[in-house]
Formats: sequence, structure tokens, C-alpha cells
Amino acid sequence: GQQVMQIPQYQHVQEGEDFTTYCNSSTTLSNIQWYKQRPGGHPVFLIQLVKSGEVKKQKRLTFQFGEAKKNSSLHITATQTTDVGTYFCAGPGGTSYGKLTFGQGTILTVHP
Amino acid sequence: EPEVTQTPSHQVTQMGQEVILRCVPISNHLYFYWYRQILGQKVEFLVSFYNNEISEKSEIFDDQFSVERPDGSNFTLKIRSTKLEDSAMYFCASRYTGGDGYTFGSGTRLTVV
Repeated sequence: GQQVMQIPQYQHVQEGEDFTTYCNSSTTLSNIQWYKQRPGGHPVFLIQLVKSGEVKKQKRLTFQFGEAKKNSSLHITATQTTDVGTYFCAGPGGTSYGKLTFGQGTILTVHP
Repeated sequence: EPEVTQTPSHQVTQMGQEVILRCVPISNHLYFYWYRQILGQKVEFLVSFYNNEISEKSEIFDDQFSVERPDGSNFTLKIRSTKLEDSAMYFCASRYTGGDGYTFGSGTRLTVV
């Protein structure tokens, strides 16, 4: 079945440093979504990328979708303590009913 | 901002007991889902529900699980005979169309003892 893998599993940064998490799918994706889960919280939808090579920005967050639509990345510039949490990528399971396959997530810790 | 509401927030149950987890999705959403997350692990798909029936289910969603939308607002997950390995956070999610991002509820932490 489809697999979605993320690296790194953990990332510890000093406040102000940059952070990147990478997501790879075993199959070509029609789109990819990113979610953030704060400690003890629930996943919150950040963004969806659809087009090959697409780049989208949300303030300090930059999301990319690979040309082959099998990989994606999330880059955070100048991290802040509010960025702490787990970042998940998720790809559709190939049906029209919208099942998502989540990656394992990258746990980001930001030291002040 | 519309929310997906889940109750209870925490449920402790004896092994072998039945539990019902409740969700109120966003009112105009059409697609409903249950996911679970074992502590420290990834979010795993259980079941999707559309047009008043199950549209897809995972291998985890075996005969001990069932879902219902008993009225126009509630969406429930029933686990008939709980096992220790059912201990997890259960998230309900909904979306308006099949291509949107999910809105997740705040989850129910199920502890089976």
C-alpha cells in the first residue's frame, strides 16, 4: 500500500534558526497536505499543494511540492517558540472519499 | 471559526466493555472520518463516511468497530469489546468536499484497562 515517510523524526533548534522537514511518498500524489499538531492537541490543517513544482508561503512557512509529485518539504524561517509541535504531511489514499495517509511526523522543539 | 466537537475528552473503560465516542462535525460538511493516534505515533485512518454509509475502511476497522450518523448532526464510533491495544487518541474529522483539508476535533483519549 501507499507509504508516506518523513524525515527527520525529531529536530531541536535554537529560536531564530531555520527548520526543514521532508516528506516522500511511495506513489505519485494528486495533492499533498500539511498539518501541525501542538503538544497535547489535534492536527490542524495548514495547506494543500496540488501542482507539480508548486511553492506556497504562509508568513515564515514555505511549502514545496516536488516536480514528480512524490515529495514535499516544509521550511520554517527564523523559528519561534510558537512553532513547537509535530508537523505531518499527508497524501490522499487514491479514492474520491478523501482518505489521507499521514507521515510519521517531525517533532520540532525550539529552545529560547 | 466552525469546530468539530468530540465527547468525551477522556474515557477510561474496562477491557471487554463497549464504548461510544461521539462527534458533531461541522454542519455543512459532507465527508466524515475517524482516525486514531497511538501515543507518539502517526495518525492512522480508520473509516470514512459519506452519504450515510461507510465509503472506505482500513484493516484496523474490523468487526468490533461500527459507525453511525443517527441524526443530522452526530457521528459516532462504537467499539464493541475493547482491547488493551485500542488505547489511543481517537480523532473525528470532517470536510465539505473530498478535496479540502480536514477539520479535526480535539479528540477523545481512550484508555482501556
